[in-house]
Amino acid sequence: DAMVIQNPRYQVTQFGKPVTLSCSQTLNHNVMYWYQQKSSQAPKLLFHYYDKDFNNEADTPDNFQSRRPNTSFCFLDIRSPGLGDAAMYLCATSRETRPSETQYFGPGTRLLVL
Amino acid sequence: AQSVTQLDSHVSVSEGTPVLLRCNYSSSYSPSLFWYVQHPNKGLQLLLKYTSAATLVKGINGFEAEFKKSETSFHLTKPSAHMSDAAEYFCVVSDRRGGADGLTFGKGTHLIIQP
Repeated sequence: DAMVIQNPRYQVTQFGKPVTLSCSQTLNHNVMYWYQQKSSQAPKLLFHYYDKDFNNEADTPDNFQSRRPNTSFCFLDIRSPGLGDAAMYLCATSRETRPSETQYFGPGTRLLVL
Repeated sequence: AQSVTQLDSHVSVSEGTPVLLRCNYSSSYSPSLFWYVQHPNKGLQLLLKYTSAATLVKGINGFEAEFKKSETSFHLTKPSAHMSDAAEYFCVVSDRRGGADGLTFGKGTHLIIQP
């Protein structure tokens, strides 16, 4: 049973054209995360929500925004994608933010910018 | 500050032989440690985690890891490699700040299984 679902799995957009990636979860977890993973690199945290509280990483570009309208859904908006934003985008969830908490990852959305 | 070093960027073993993926960590606090696996074009899947209970942790698919505080290591092992184990493996440390900005990933080890 899918627990963290990401849509679409592959997204192609044009340079500068806004794009939205979707994540949903069936785990009823408090925390939802967005990571960016470039080729052959480790995932990099962009931001996370604890319930409705938004937490942005200091080095996340302003071009990246997020929305969490309810517990189950979280969206990643890229306002003006550049070629350097082509990457795999991973959504993850956890119950809490304690050190021992497991993060559960979705399958990812691979973004291609033309 | 915490850090994770995966000592090998690539490991190649023959099918049926043991697997060893090495991970050293640095943390000012009692850390939680995780191993995740990522198959091509897929998300990350938890293999196992250490959270200050037993130092030898058993995970899925026959993998296990031993937390050695004196050596600051958390190496991942499997007695007999299978072709389906070919993937990228990430060692992750989480300190007292928790699973958000307190999570640090290693750079990953690419495991290749030779037939």
